[in-house]
Amino acid sequence: EVQLLESGGGLVQPGVSLTLSCAASGFTFSRYVMSWVRQAPGKGLEWVSGISGSGDTTYYADSVRGRFTISRDNSKNTLYLRMDSLRAADTAIYFCVKDLGYFTFDFWGQGTMVTVSS
Amino acid sequence: DIQMTQSPSSQSASVGDRVTITCRASQSISTYLNWYQQKPGKAPQLLIYATSTLLSGVPSRFSGSGSGTDFTLTISSLQPEDFATYYCQLSYSAPWTFGQGTKVEIK
Repeated sequence: EVQLLESGGGLVQPGVSLTLSCAASGFTFSRYVMSWVRQAPGKGLEWVSGISGSGDTTYYADSVRGRFTISRDNSKNTLYLRMDSLRAADTAIYFCVKDLGYFTFDFWGQGTMVTVSS
Repeated sequence: DIQMTQSPSSQSASVGDRVTITCRASQSISTYLNWYQQKPGKAPQLLIYATSTLLSGVPSRFSGSGSGTDFTLTISSLQPEDFATYYCQLSYSAPWTFGQGTKVEIK
């Protein structure tokens, strides 16, 4: 059974950094592209960042490029999202998602909430 | 970037109704279009990928169609568990944009 368990969310002040983690199980982690998708309170879904199975290739939405860094440790079956220079607009639930292919998201974690507020 | 526009933003319907949701891309995306269902407080779930392929376990009352720029999600006979928000999503190229969502509510 595929499981994705996010952690690391919380309440932070604007300008600080935070790193999210996603522990994956139930599939061969290194074979799959993984992404982060976020959802601001009461709003729709926004794809944030993706990474190839090997970790060699990364992708970012314009809204986070230069501030967020996606990475993975295939030996630990874990996906990360380091978020720097956080803004109020980054407040959202962050979902870890597994890729079926062509950035089609077939499994989602339960999400971790990030609140950026002074 | 390719923009995805869903309509309507919300729809009231009754159990047994046929429901149709439309998603339009700002340029041709072939059939690289997915549909997700999200219930309150839950993570989204993939329903349909590549325009018309149902994920295993998804009821056959759900169907998808379209190509190019215009796509449709149809629920042939709405069931109580189908009241949710539905999102289309581009899988053609980065950024992998979602539509703004369509909330299907009980009439």
